[in-house]
Amino acid sequence: QSALTQPRSVSGSPGQSVTISCTGTSSDVGGYNYVSWYQQHPGKAPKLMIYDVSKRPSGVPDRFSGSKSGNTASLTISGLQAEDEADYYCCSYAGSYTSYVFGTGTKVTVL
Amino acid sequence: QVQLVQSGAEVKKPGSSVKVSCKASGGTFSSYTISWVRQAPGQGLEWMGRIIPILGIANYAQKFQGRVTITADKSTSTAYMELSSLRSEDTAVYYCARAGDGWFDPWGQGTLVTVSS
Repeated sequence: QSALTQPRSVSGSPGQSVTISCTGTSSDVGGYNYVSWYQQHPGKAPKLMIYDVSKRPSGVPDRFSGSKSGNTASLTISGLQAEDEADYYCCSYAGSYTSYVFGTGTKVTVL
Repeated sequence: QVQLVQSGAEVKKPGSSVKVSCKASGGTFSSYTISWVRQAPGQGLEWMGRIIPILGIANYAQKFQGRVTITADKSTSTAYMELSSLRSEDTAVYYCARAGDGWFDPWGQGTLVTVSS
């Protein structure tokens, strides 16, 4: 099972919006509404930001939103803030045999 | 509030095994699914496998089949991940996480396993 494809990096100025794509196949992203997104600051454990494609856990700012079209999921950060600078990973359920596959990761830089 | 606390860093020789623990507090341990995810230095996240403690059933990523064993002790609310036949490429931070249908939350703090001769 190959990793989901994400852009290596994206950047934006404070207040701007950035969108991170996550491309898989019909066997993972396209086949299930079980896409999640994680934020990881250096030296820290990942933190769940979005689950079930577009749901936000309690405590996650509504600046973070998720969507999916076909085999590609997206995470949008609106009103970018300095503390959003981190690595972001998508993840998709891929069936009972493979179970889960993560994306390659995207570094978000706040200019 | 569920919290997961992992055991400390390990240094292992190639060919040996390592066993990492993950102790849960808060919530009902038996009702969780616990997954293990690893991250090699400077690399991305990689799902290794999971266990449903209430059933004692584990399943593993194909890549690790035969080399990884995930177990759980309901009496101590602790999950374990044992990786055998270690090689240098297994040097990574290993995380446990409570798993739902397609999500992982929260995560343990991570355990660095270094494989070096």
